[in-house]
Amino acid sequence: GAVVSQHPSRVICKSGTSVKIECRSLDFQATTMFWYRQFPKKSLMLMATSNEGSKATYEQGVEKDKFLINHASLTLSTLTVTSAHPEDSSFYICSARGTSGFNEQFFGPGTRLTVL
Amino acid sequence: DAKTTQPPSMDCAEGRAANLPCNHSTISGNEYVYWYRQIHSQGPQYIIHGLKNNETNEMASLIITEDRKSSTLILPHATLRDTAVYYCIVRLYSGNTPLVFGKGTRLSVIA
Repeated sequence: GAVVSQHPSRVICKSGTSVKIECRSLDFQATTMFWYRQFPKKSLMLMATSNEGSKATYEQGVEKDKFLINHASLTLSTLTVTSAHPEDSSFYICSARGTSGFNEQFFGPGTRLTVL
Repeated sequence: DAKTTQPPSMDCAEGRAANLPCNHSTISGNEYVYWYRQIHSQGPQYIIHGLKNNETNEMASLIITEDRKSSTLILPHATLRDTAVYYCIVRLYSGNTPLVFGKGTRLSVIA
């Protein structure tokens, strides 16, 4: 099956710093990647959709200048949380869709961000 | 917003079948029913999907009613490792629409 990896799996940072999270599709090319955020005991919330080589589309209420998404290649997308604050602490999960017509999404293992 | 309704939680005895219901009364003719699950602190895992016929794979069975307004995911012999939140999602089969997650059902398998 298709494998999606995320790095790092866990990160702790100080308030005001920026954190970059990588999402890679290991054995397939992903034309589209999705970023989700999940707070404790809550469901996944879609943050943005990114297509390779173009700007990401953000969901309503998600600040695009705070959550920078880059999808520079068919196997890599990055999410940068800029000037992180404690309220940005969350579980961030990426998902990738392949290049075939089938609409299946494959999920990464998630990144736990804690902002002190 | 999610287009499905699921009970918030269910318990199941280990070794017994777990039957997880889902209502999707507004499903359109070209939308599929997908099931994913999320084990604690992991990414969601695909289980099964279907359009109108019943489907079975190595993980589970999916029973969709004839009017397609509801479905049931069946784990035939639940184990402790099946404890997770199960999400029922309706979506087009092709295209670029992302999965939109509702609240899901928290299944607890009890020894």
